[in-house]
Amino acid sequence: EAQVTQNPRYLITVTGKKLTVTCSQNMNHEYMSWYRQDPGLGLRQIYYSMNVEVTDKGDVPEGYKVSRKEKRNFPLILESPSPNQTSLYFCASNPWTGTLDTQYFGPGTRLTVL
Amino acid sequence: GQQVMQIPQYQHVQEGEDFTTYCNSSTTLSNIQWYKQRPGGHPVFLIQLVKSGEVKKQKRLTFQFGEAKKNSSLHITATQTTDVGTYFCAGYQWDNYGQNFVFGPGTRLSVLP
Repeated sequence: EAQVTQNPRYLITVTGKKLTVTCSQNMNHEYMSWYRQDPGLGLRQIYYSMNVEVTDKGDVPEGYKVSRKEKRNFPLILESPSPNQTSLYFCASNPWTGTLDTQYFGPGTRLTVL
Repeated sequence: GQQVMQIPQYQHVQEGEDFTTYCNSSTTLSNIQWYKQRPGGHPVFLIQLVKSGEVKKQKRLTFQFGEAKKNSSLHITATQTTDVGTYFCAGYQWDNYGQNFVFGPGTRLSVLP
């Protein structure tokens, strides 16, 4: 089954404790990205990657890191989480064909930073 | 950078009434996509519009792309309770490195039975 998976689905942590949210897709998609969703603000792109070893900042990259060592995985790293990073996070991938580039979203990770 | 706006932010309708959400971009879009997110779920792709003035229909949903490719609309005829959710428009923004994807803030639709 074609899908995007994220882990964990829920996470409660404390300020300053490094964490990683994993994202994996099995569709051989070129383009992957991370979004955060906050009430009233919709989905804002954090980072995106157009291919292996190619990552770029989205609209809200501060406080986040990503890596793309393999095509299928795109982990999101919070080196020193702060309460303002409490949010719902979505990973997404798309085939980047240049014609119909549908974004396929993972189920989401709800992060709370105390 | 590119700004994508949507109105209204919220809409409450009685089942059977029509619903429309409007999307406006500060810059011309190469294409526009629409997504639906059910409560507690993740965004799901609905449709992509590419051509100026394009109109596409999916059963009770009608999507339009403006002539100037800076605005779009989604119209639902005779809403049903299954239409409940938040509807987002989205488009690509080119920057110095590639394309980042920009979403509008969404319109949350409630349908009263």
